[in-house]
Amino acid sequence: EAQVTQNPRYLITVTGKKLTVTCSQNMNHEYMSWYRQDPGLGLRQIYYSMNVEVTDKGDVPEGYKVSRKEKRNFPLILESPSPNQTSLYFCASSFRLESEEQYFGPGTRLTVT
Amino acid sequence: TQLLEQSPQFLSIQEGENLTVYCNSSSVFSSLQWYRQEPGEGPVLLVTVVTGGEVKKLKRLTFQFGDARKDSSLHITAAQPGDTGLYLCAAEGAGNRDDKIIFGKGTRLHILP
Repeated sequence: EAQVTQNPRYLITVTGKKLTVTCSQNMNHEYMSWYRQDPGLGLRQIYYSMNVEVTDKGDVPEGYKVSRKEKRNFPLILESPSPNQTSLYFCASSFRLESEEQYFGPGTRLTVT
Repeated sequence: TQLLEQSPQFLSIQEGENLTVYCNSSSVFSSLQWYRQEPGEGPVLLVTVVTGGEVKKLKRLTFQFGDARKDSSLHITAAQPGDTGLYLCAAEGAGNRDDKIIFGKGTRLHILP
């Protein structure tokens, strides 16, 4: 089954404790992206990657890192999480371009206390 | 800055009623997508429209792209509880670098049985 998987689905952590949210897709897509979704603010892009070893900042990259060492994986790293990073996070992928159909993962709900 | 305004923000109606939600901007777009997001899941693409004036139908859902490619509407006929969810529009700006898209904040629709 074609899908985007994220882990964990739910995470409660404390300020400053490094964490990684994994994202994997099995569709051989070139384009991958991370979004956060907050009430009243909608979906905002954090980082995106157009291919292996190519990453770029989205609209809200501060406090986040990503890597794209393999085509299928695009982990999101929070080196020192803060409470304002409490949010619902989505990973997405598309064949080549962001403007094509994006397939979204099920989401990771992160709470930073 | 390109913005997508969705209206209404919230809509709660009885099963069997018709409804229309809107996605508006002052900018011209190359294409526009509608996604539906159900609780606890990621957004799923419903349709992409690319031609001014284009109308697409998906069962009881009718999507229209404005003639000037600045706005779009989604009309649902005889709404059912299964239509409940967050409806997001996303648009690719005309002449946009890297085919970047922007998302509206969504219309949260609740169909009462």
